[in-house]
Amino acid sequence: RKEVEQDPGPFNVPEGATVAFNCTYSNSASQSFFWYRQDCRKEPKLLMSVYSSGNEDGRFTAQLNRASQYISLLIRDSKLSDSATYLCVGGYNQGGKLIFGQGTELSVKP
Amino acid sequence: EAGVTQFPSHSVIEKGQTVTLRCDPISGHDNLYWYRRVMGKEIKFLLHFVKESKQDESGMPNNRFLAERTGGTYSTLKVQPAELEDSGVYFCASSQRRLAGVASTDTQYFGPGTRLTVL
Repeated sequence: RKEVEQDPGPFNVPEGATVAFNCTYSNSASQSFFWYRQDCRKEPKLLMSVYSSGNEDGRFTAQLNRASQYISLLIRDSKLSDSATYLCVGGYNQGGKLIFGQGTELSVKP
Repeated sequence: EAGVTQFPSHSVIEKGQTVTLRCDPISGHDNLYWYRRVMGKEIKFLLHFVKESKQDESGMPNNRFLAERTGGTYSTLKVQPAELEDSGVYFCASSQRRLAGVASTDTQYFGPGTRLTVL
């Protein structure tokens, strides 16, 4: 079983739609969580950190449920530029290695 | 501020040859990481340097891989001899020294990667 599991998609949505990605992790020792975005043939870039209290950055909302070992990302009012692969990532120790999910591909269509 | 840079961007070699990948982290970042993405799989951790010391090398696949970070600045990852299964994209990332209570200091910034093809 992978340590971080995501639905690979693809998710095909129209502009303006709301889309939600889910992710589960198996190692309860994971201390920190992130969503990274990766465009085709580019490097991963941090989208946002994920906290138990939930956090929001513009159209993006992330949530962590430690009891269920579940992480979510909600994108509202999807833009064409949101098309990318979204990577769910866990970290063991602050400053230590990151554990990546396989990524969820999002395609926003006009 | 310059980001993480990697060289070369692409490398095509034959099985049995040697390849050396280079990573220059963001200036002042103590932490340097190597990751690899094999086609169809998730990005996987290889190792972590803190300055010039190996903090965690649990992800190194075997002894054909050798990473160094002399002087605590740039790092090299040598694969010798290369095998077909070593093909993939090798990413380097860096983060600054962790400051207690400052979550942003944990952020890892990734380089553009080196795409290695072993024929």
